[in-house]
Amino acid sequence: DADVTQTPRNRITKTGKRIMLECSQTKGHDRMYWYRQDPGLGLRLIYYSFDVKDINKGEISDGYSVSRQAQAKFSLSLESAIPNQTALYFCATSDPGVAGTQFFGPGTRLTVL
Amino acid sequence: ELKVEQNPLFLSMQEGKNYTIYCNYSTTSDRLYWYRQDPGKSLESLFVLLSNGAVKQEGRLMASLDTKARLSTLHITAAVHDLSATYFCADPLQGGSEKLVFGKGTKLTVNP
Repeated sequence: DADVTQTPRNRITKTGKRIMLECSQTKGHDRMYWYRQDPGLGLRLIYYSFDVKDINKGEISDGYSVSRQAQAKFSLSLESAIPNQTALYFCATSDPGVAGTQFFGPGTRLTVL
Repeated sequence: ELKVEQNPLFLSMQEGKNYTIYCNYSTTSDRLYWYRQDPGKSLESLFVLLSNGAVKQEGRLMASLDTKARLSTLHITAAVHDLSATYFCADPLQGGSEKLVFGKGTKLTVNP
C-alpha cells in the first residue's frame, strides 16, 4: 500500500463550489505539506503542519484553508473555487530524522470550470 | 527575493551523451534536494545534499553541492531513455526542510 495517499485523484468542479482534498499517510511522520504544481512553475507551498496543533501558511495560502485532523490526516479546502486554482495538488510528509526528505503523494488533478 | 533557478529548463539529448543541469539558489542553505518527476506521476526523491562539497551518485546521475557558490549540479553520464523525466532542485529555507522552494524543473528528453 502507498505510504501517502490522496483523494480524490481527479476532480472537476465549478466556480464558487467548496471542495476538499484529503491526504492520509502511514509513514508516521509528524510533518505534512500541501503544494500546488502549475505547468512551468515548479511546486509552490500552500500550507504546512508540524503536528496537529501547529499549522503554518506557505507561499500561496490565499484562497485555501487546511485542517489537520490527526497525525496521519491533513486536508486542504478551497472555500470558493476559482478557475486559476486549476492545478495539480500534492501532499507530502517528512521526518526531520531522515535528512528532512519530503515524500510525496500521487497528486490530485483539480479542474475548476 | 528567494529564488531557485534551474537551467536549462528543457534538455534534449542523445543516448550515450553527458550533460549537466545547474541549480542556483539565493539563500545560505547548507543543504539541497533533487527530485525526479515522470510524466503524470508524483515526485520521487533522488538526492539529499547535506553540506558544502557533498557529492552523491546513483547510477548515471551524480549530484554535487557548492554552498559558497550557491550552486548544485546534476550530472548525467551516458544518458539512456529511462532517464527522460523532469528534474527539480529544491532549496530549504530556515535550515530545515519545512519550507522547500522548488526550481521550475528541467525537462529532460533522451532520444535513441
